[in-house]
Amino acid sequence: TQLLEQSPQFLSIQEGENLTVYCNSSSVFSSLQWYRQEPGEGPVLLVTVVTGGEVKKLKRLTFQFGDARKDSSLHITAAQPGDTGLYLCAYTNAGKSTFGDGTTLTVKP
Amino acid sequence: GAVVSQHPSWVICKSGTSVKIECRSLDFQATTMFWYRQFPKQSLMLMATSNEGSKATYEQGVEKDKFLINHASLTLSTLTVTSAHPEDSSFYICSARSGDLYGYTFGSGTRLTVV
Repeated sequence: TQLLEQSPQFLSIQEGENLTVYCNSSSVFSSLQWYRQEPGEGPVLLVTVVTGGEVKKLKRLTFQFGDARKDSSLHITAAQPGDTGLYLCAYTNAGKSTFGDGTTLTVKP
Repeated sequence: GAVVSQHPSWVICKSGTSVKIECRSLDFQATTMFWYRQFPKQSLMLMATSNEGSKATYEQGVEKDKFLINHASLTLSTLTVTSAHPEDSSFYICSARSGDLYGYTFGSGTRLTVV
């Protein structure tokens, strides 16, 4: 099983601040997925990155896949309280998804 | 978009009893569904792969006789926690591939508390 390491584990910031969370591995992936999970809910897929060096934007969220396809980052601009949640990166192999440990983000108003 | 529905959203049961959790794909057919377990402050861990019309495939360390999975139709998979004990208390989540080539749609989860 390939390991996905996410950092930081916890992040607490004020509304309006920018932040970046990371998903790193020593393995090469054909793609990585980012999910957001709110308390008491299942994860919701935000984006899939496929091509090395790829950058995808989803409103204030910017996702990047490393050139070597071993790592990915999620940057949030001007964070809002609604961005609070657990951010998970994951890869899929033979239909099974393996998740990193996640970054718990709290955005205070 | 694709929706996966789980029921119940939460359940409290007594130790030694069995609990059934349903996972339905509402607007698509799913030959394969996946069951995950998530403990507080932790990530999701895959328990088993549910295959329509055949036996489920369990991950290493997951007791198949304790976590019974039935996938009798293309839209329904059930997970039965048999002889539940307090250590089985967790958040159980199912997922299915809904069309996105790489990602999966997850249910809203079931919070199981065994007392």
